[in-house]
Parts: sequence; structure tokens; C-alpha cells
Amino acid sequence: SAVISQKPSRDICQRGTSLTIQCQVDSQVTMMFWYRQQPGQSLTLIATANQGSEATYESGFVIDKFPISRPNLTFSTLTVSNMSPEDSSIYLCSVLGGGTGHEQYFGPGTRLTVT
Amino acid sequence: GQNIDQPTEMTATEGAIVQINCTYQTSGFNGLFWYQQHAGEAPTFLSYNVLDGLEEKGRFSSFLSRSKGYSYLLLKELQMKDSASYLCAVRGTYKYIFGTGTRLKVLA
Repeated sequence: SAVISQKPSRDICQRGTSLTIQCQVDSQVTMMFWYRQQPGQSLTLIATANQGSEATYESGFVIDKFPISRPNLTFSTLTVSNMSPEDSSIYLCSVLGGGTGHEQYFGPGTRLTVT
Repeated sequence: GQNIDQPTEMTATEGAIVQINCTYQTSGFNGLFWYQQHAGEAPTFLSYNVLDGLEEKGRFSSFLSRSKGYSYLLLKELQMKDSASYLCAVRGTYKYIFGTGTRLKVLA
């Protein structure tokens, strides 16, 4: 299974500012996923990031608010722009792997609080 | 629409057996997954079913019936460390959809 790290692990930010979250994988992967998990809720997919192409965003999420970079096969960033308290959440990146190639492995998450 | 239903919370006693059910309606089906998530941590993969039947992995087993849109996760010989949320997820045509999770409390 892949080992995934995220930075920062947590942050407290003021409304109107932006935060960039980094996701690093210890092996080359084609697809990386960004999820949001609000308190007491399940995981909601924000976007899928493929290296060398623009990210594919899910309904309700737009590039201007959540720009994503994928400069190589081991790294991605998610920026949460012009933050509001509603953006307070845990943000997780994940990759596919395992014996079937369909299992998702998640980073430890970034806990964001917007005041 | 796409929907995954699972109970919000369950309680069981150490050493017992517990079954967590999951029903789903998705556009396309390419596998059902169970993940364990301890409070404040990321989800970790437990099991994968793509064909009907039971998959056993140590104390954990997962069952799938595609015709019924139904799965369950069976945990045997419960331990205190099994207290966590259990997420049912389906890989549909284009993406993975997660249920809201079942919070399991194991009591001594």
C-alpha cells in the first residue's frame, strides 16, 4: 500500500484567506483524489487529479474555489480559496492501490478551521 | 439518484459478533468497499467485494448481494480497539460514493 503524507496537518485561518494543502505519495500514481469530510459527515469527493491534465471536479465544486495542481506522479496540491467558516472541514487526499488496484489509501488529512 | 444507507450508530459488547448493514443505489457498480475510521484519523481499507458472496479476512467478513443492493460487514470476537466508524463505499461508473458511516461502540 502507498504511504501518503499531507501538509499541514491542521490550520486555523481567517475568512477571506486561502490555504494550500500538499499531498505527497511514496510511489508514482496516475490518479489522486481530493475529499472533504465535514464534522460527523462522510467523505465527499471534490475532484480527481490526473498528472498532465486539468482536474475533474464534482458537482458543487469549482476550480476557482478549489484550484488543484498535479505537477508530477507523486505530488498534488489543493487550494481552498477565499475561505468562509463553511469550509471548515477535514481535507483528505487518496490514491488507488492494493491487490485489486481499486482500494483507496488515504493521507492523514488536513483539519481546517476557518474563523 | 445515488444513495448509500447504513445505520448511524451501533453498540456491542467485547467478545461479541456485530453485523453492520449497508444498502445502496448507484449508477453503475464496480465494487463495494468497507473502510474503518478511528476518530481523528483517516479511513483505512478493510474489504472489497465485487462478486456476490462472502469474503473472509480474519475476524472481519464482508458479504455482497448485487441483486438486492445489499452488503454487510461482520465483525467477530469484538475488541475495544474495534470502536470506530465503518464506512460503506461503492465504486460506481465514474467515482466512489461513501455512506455516512456507522459509529460502533464496543463496551467492556
